[in-house]
Amino acid sequence: EAGVAQSPRYKIIEKRQSVAFWCNPISGHATLYWYQQILGQGPKLLIQFQNNGVVDDSQLPKDRFSAERLKGVDSTLKIQPAKLEDSAVYLCASSLDWAGVSYEQYFGPGTRLTVT
Amino acid sequence: AQKVTQAQTEISVVEKEDVTLDCVYETRDTTYYLFWYKQPPSGELVFLIRRNSFDEQNEISGRYSWNFQKSTSSFNFTITASQVVDSAVYFCALMRGRRALTFGSGTRLQVQP
Repeated sequence: EAGVAQSPRYKIIEKRQSVAFWCNPISGHATLYWYQQILGQGPKLLIQFQNNGVVDDSQLPKDRFSAERLKGVDSTLKIQPAKLEDSAVYLCASSLDWAGVSYEQYFGPGTRLTVT
Repeated sequence: AQKVTQAQTEISVVEKEDVTLDCVYETRDTTYYLFWYKQPPSGELVFLIRRNSFDEQNEISGRYSWNFQKSTSSFNFTITASQVVDSAVYFCALMRGRRALTFGSGTRLQVQP
């Protein structure tokens, strides 16, 4: 079974530029998460989707971050404009189903963003 | 509000030593789930275990064991006879309902040969 795919793996941009990250969850997984992991810290939720609806985006800096989940499958996370403090690893995760038995979240390899 | 505390920032042991990673959590919910994840140098988070709040039985999986105590709000993780391949950052996490994970700050384990 293929895991969670993310691209790109690395990205370096200058502050005030825009950037987008892509995530393809495990096939059949209805719930998708984007986490931000700053160096030396644990991952922090940015947004949670159930199919193509947003469940929780309370910690998403909406003035600069946006996310969508196309047709309830792939998802993109965008930052516009980027700030230095956005330098982090952006992790995508998916889990089976809102009403499913399995609560395990499976994580992708992450995208490491450096803002200079 | 939920919170997970991993007070040990970094632990260094010599191969074959036993090591325990501490995790203390805070939640007002009666139903919740606790997790441990491993993050090796490659960066990908690897699921290790999930426990629900109603199951306080300890669990053993090979060299890994977990001790869940609701009375002290702790969910500690022990590696027996550590190996160099165990070197990684380990995260404890808490989930309420079917929501996202709240992670601790992680414990970096270095196992020296």
